[in-house]
Amino acid sequence: EIVLTQSPDTLSLSPGDRATLSCRASQSVSSSFLAWYQQKPGQAPRLVIYATSSRATGIPDRFSGSGSGTDFTLSINRLEPEDFAVYYCLQYDRSPRTFGQGTKVEI
Amino acid sequence: QITLKESGPTLVKPTQTLTLTCTFSGFSLNTNGMGVGWIRQSPGKALECLALIFWNDDKRYWPSLSTRLTITKDTSKNQVVLTMTNMDPVDTGTYFCAHMIGGAARQPFDYWGQGILVTVSS
Repeated sequence: EIVLTQSPDTLSLSPGDRATLSCRASQSVSSSFLAWYQQKPGQAPRLVIYATSSRATGIPDRFSGSGSGTDFTLSINRLEPEDFAVYYCLQYDRSPRTFGQGTKVEI
Repeated sequence: QITLKESGPTLVKPTQTLTLTCTFSGFSLNTNGMGVGWIRQSPGKALECLALIFWNDDKRYWPSLSTRLTITKDTSKNQVVLTMTNMDPVDTGTYFCAHMIGGAARQPFDYWGQGILVTVSS
């Protein structure tokens, strides 16, 4: 299985800051099949980015994704209060689909 | 509009079998490419993609749990059922079902149920 390692575990920032989250894969992942999710307490994960850099429906353009091979990044410009949450990456290139362990973006 | 909802017991005893049902609307598992997955979130652990089932009845399981898991679909009822045998306290967590698209044009889990918290305790 492909292991996804996210860093850092926790990111302490302020509203208006830029957040940069990393997701590293144990094997090469096609950029067509890497996604990012946002999860808030008591809620299901919400799809933010798919295919490395495509924003899901309703996601503001301050969210952006990039990367290729084994290194992928989620960037959030000008953090808004509602952006503080846990973010997970997911590879759906090969079975089994696997998630990273999450990065908490906190105030 | 795609919606999914999980149902089943919220408390099971160790060694019992857990049966969860995902009831969905807004798509059909008879349609080429459609799929449903079960994802677990345990305290202190990452999200685990336990099982997937596709329109063509292709099934995939999390390797370390494959001997304990069975996923089936009932297209007439728009339901997907997950059974997990020999439950243990470490299986405590929130179980989600989610919609996805499989095959060459596969997509990530895009619509999720609200989740059901299952506790394993005697």
